[in-house]
Amino acid sequence: AQSVAQPEDQVNVAEGNPLTVKCTYSVSGNPYLFWYVQYPNRGLQFLLKYITGDNLVKGSYGFEAEFNKSQTSFHLKKPSALVSDSALYFCAVRDSKAAGNKLTFGGGTRVLVKP
Amino acid sequence: NAGVTQTPKFRILKIGQSMTLQCTQDMNHNYMYWYRQDPGMGLKLIYYSVGAGITDKGEVPNGYNVSRSTTEDFPLRLELAAPSQTSVYFCASSYLRDSYNEQFFGPGTRLTVL
Repeated sequence: AQSVAQPEDQVNVAEGNPLTVKCTYSVSGNPYLFWYVQYPNRGLQFLLKYITGDNLVKGSYGFEAEFNKSQTSFHLKKPSALVSDSALYFCAVRDSKAAGNKLTFGGGTRVLVKP
Repeated sequence: NAGVTQTPKFRILKIGQSMTLQCTQDMNHNYMYWYRQDPGMGLKLIYYSVGAGITDKGEVPNGYNVSRSTTEDFPLRLELAAPSQTSVYFCASSYLRDSYNEQFFGPGTRLTVL
């Protein structure tokens, strides 16, 4: 079975400071990992994904994520947060052994960037 | 491309009523999905489809039905609506050229059952 956890319900950060949103996962095969962002009253937007290769993945809007196999983590990062980054962030995982391209989503982390 | 579109945006139902949530994608994606998002929770998969004529249950299928007669459309049917079905419903699609392609989401339908 595949599962994902986002241990923080909310992250508060001052504008210009680094932003980190945590995600850990559990799979039986190899993980395919995704980050999505949801702005108020909108659908989810894809940010980035890890499939294989470099552990540091770069995505949209200046976001990046670091895959750590030994810690089974895939934390989302941004070096300098903007007020406009305030949103709900979801981590998702798919086990390479799972059929149907089904993703399992974490509970989400609300990010609040203060001016 | 419009991407994934959903109608209606909002709906209020009375207990026991039925309705169909519409979802259409114009990206020629073979996979389509229905999720529900409850307050403070992540997304739960209701049903998914790997192509026209093929559907399968997700994590929380009870109280819902789907059909997939064309590549573009994937309607979700609620029969005998219950308050527990109050949620925001998202449709998504992906192209399974590779098993790790990202999913594209519609804007959602906010449903309230009273």
